[in-house]
Amino acid sequence: ELVLTQSPGTLSLSPGERATLSCRASQSVSSYYLAWYQQKPGQAPRLLIYGASSRATGIPDRFSGSGSGTDFTLTISRLEREDFAVYYCQQYRSSPPGLTFGGGTKVEIK
Amino acid sequence: EVQLVESGGGLVQPGGSLRLSCTASGFMFSTNWMHWVRQAPGKGLVWVSRISGDGTSTDYGDPVKGRFTISRDNARNTLYLLMSSLRAEDTAVYYCTRGSLTGLSDPWGQGTLVTVSS
Repeated sequence: ELVLTQSPGTLSLSPGERATLSCRASQSVSSYYLAWYQQKPGQAPRLLIYGASSRATGIPDRFSGSGSGTDFTLTISRLEREDFAVYYCQQYRSSPPGLTFGGGTKVEIK
Repeated sequence: EVQLVESGGGLVQPGGSLRLSCTASGFMFSTNWMHWVRQAPGKGLVWVSRISGDGTSTDYGDPVKGRFTISRDNARNTLYLLMSSLRAEDTAVYYCTRGSLTGLSDPWGQGTLVTVSS
């Protein structure tokens, strides 16, 4: 069974700093099906990155994704106040079919 | 504007049933896979179920297999989740989301809260 492990669990940073979030898969996965989401309190998740590195429509270029195989990274180059939120990685799987989510990384204001 | 709006959540007793609805607008509903994803209070996202555009193919996560049924009415642009034999651990916000060939989920509805408690 595919497991996505996100680290760290919480990242305490100041506005303007760089954030690096990790998503590690328990087995090699296709980067084509790797996505990242942002969720703020009381809101639904919002798609940020798909295909491991493509930004969704309207997502600022301070957000970038990279990685392949079992290791993927979401980078926020310079944190803005509205970026403090929880971030999830997600992998579509074909067998068994469905979606697997990581446990999330909370980016909080230091 | 592409939009998904869930409804039907509420308080239900253990062992009871509830049907959630998700009404879609702004896109060709019948050509898209649709998913249900849930989030227990203070916890992460967990995939629940998916259904193909024509409704002929469905899949479920292990925690809900045999208890939940996903369906859709393409004439009404509406997705459903019939939840039976509900347990306390099914308490969560339930989101519907549109799937794609690249596996991404976008957009998401605002969610509807289901509370299973006596």
